[in-house]
Amino acid sequence: QKEVEQNSGPLSVPEGAIASLNCTYSDRVSQSFFWYRQYSGKSPELIMSIYSNGDKEDGRFTAQLNKASQYVSLLIRDSQPSDSATYLCAVMGTGFQKLVFGTGTRLLVSP
Amino acid sequence: EPEVTQTPSHQVTQMGQEVILRCVPISNHLYFYWYRQILGQKVEFLVSFYNNEISEKSEIFDDQFSVERPDGSNFTLKIRSTKLEDSAMYFCASAEDLDNEQFFGPGTRLTVL
Repeated sequence: QKEVEQNSGPLSVPEGAIASLNCTYSDRVSQSFFWYRQYSGKSPELIMSIYSNGDKEDGRFTAQLNKASQYVSLLIRDSQPSDSATYLCAVMGTGFQKLVFGTGTRLLVSP
Repeated sequence: EPEVTQTPSHQVTQMGQEVILRCVPISNHLYFYWYRQILGQKVEFLVSFYNNEISEKSEIFDDQFSVERPDGSNFTLKIRSTKLEDSAMYFCASAEDLDNEQFFGPGTRLTVL
């Protein structure tokens, strides 16, 4: 059973702080990793993709991947109230086409 | 910026009725997907479609479900005889290539009464 695990939260941070979201996955052959943001009642919106070990930065967002530990994380710098949403970790294995999603971590950024 | 579109945004149907959910993927994308999300639960994969055929499907995608690309732009999901437990948000997604980023449409909320 291929699983993607996330802490459901809520993770509460004050405005301007760094939010750190974590995800672990069980399938060692997983090769592609994605973070999506989902506002209540809306569809998943792609934030970041990461394919190799290390860090990948895009604006206020940094994705980190450690395949040996089967661990992916997302850092959000200078968190804003508009970042309040559920953040979904999704994983894809080589040769497979489906994304396997975690349950998501709810982030609350207070003004 | 190109985006995936879906219609209708909300579909209400009686149990046992057939529904067709429609999607227009991003125009240069070659891989198409359907996912669903039951209220309060995780997003679940249903089916992937490439080169006019199903390339992968989940155990949820049983004989009640079918997909079709009837023309060069639309991608449809048909549920033949809806059940109460089919009530969910259904998301279409598309990707330019295998292993690439998948972009999701706004979803269709299906309510089965």
